[in-house]
Amino acid sequence: NAGVTQTPKFRVLKTGQSMTLLCAQDMNHEYMYWYRQDPGMGLRLIHYSVGEGTTAKGEVPDGYNVSRLKKQNFLLGLESAAPSQTSVYFCASSYPWRRGLGYTFGSGTRLTVV
Amino acid sequence: AQRVTQPEKLLSVFKGAPVELKCNYSYSGSPELFWYVQYSRQRLQLLLRHISRESIKGFTADLNKGETSFHLKKPFAQEEDSAMYYCALSYLGQGAQKLVFGQGTRLTINP
Repeated sequence: NAGVTQTPKFRVLKTGQSMTLLCAQDMNHEYMYWYRQDPGMGLRLIHYSVGEGTTAKGEVPDGYNVSRLKKQNFLLGLESAAPSQTSVYFCASSYPWRRGLGYTFGSGTRLTVV
Repeated sequence: AQRVTQPEKLLSVFKGAPVELKCNYSYSGSPELFWYVQYSRQRLQLLLRHISRESIKGFTADLNKGETSFHLKKPFAQEEDSAMYYCALSYLGQGAQKLVFGQGTRLTINP
């Protein structure tokens, strides 16, 4: 099983450029999440989805958009990249809430905006 | 609001010494807590969950509701324990399970 796969692994963007990060999971999980990881700030939730066709804002959604057209895929878009969006982005997925249930994470996308 | 605090950004101990990574939380409901570990430039992996009361790789963590803490402990540190450790609180909000992470503690085990 691949689990959660993120593409690309690395990317350098110029300010103002756009890009889409892809997250794919093969575990038939209902829930998917996008986090950003910054030094000293831990992981912060950007957007999440509780099912195909649904998305919701997390803690730091500004500057990002998401889509969940298929259950297995969760796309994170940056329409106009800014240096403040330089970060490592992690996708995660899980089954619907159940006590003791953790997330499965992807390996991350390291994004640099210059 | 839900909050997780890891007071130590960096922690350095010698191999064979005991390790304790601190985690405090703020949550009005019944907490559900996890420890995740991230080895160098790898994905986050689930290390422990409080509900299981398990020991993984020699690590244990006990939920103390009175002190609102979930500290991670290991009696004898190994060099391979060097990693980033995140404490996380799970809660059900707006129809979805969410995880709130602490700021993380970078643990370095010196030989």
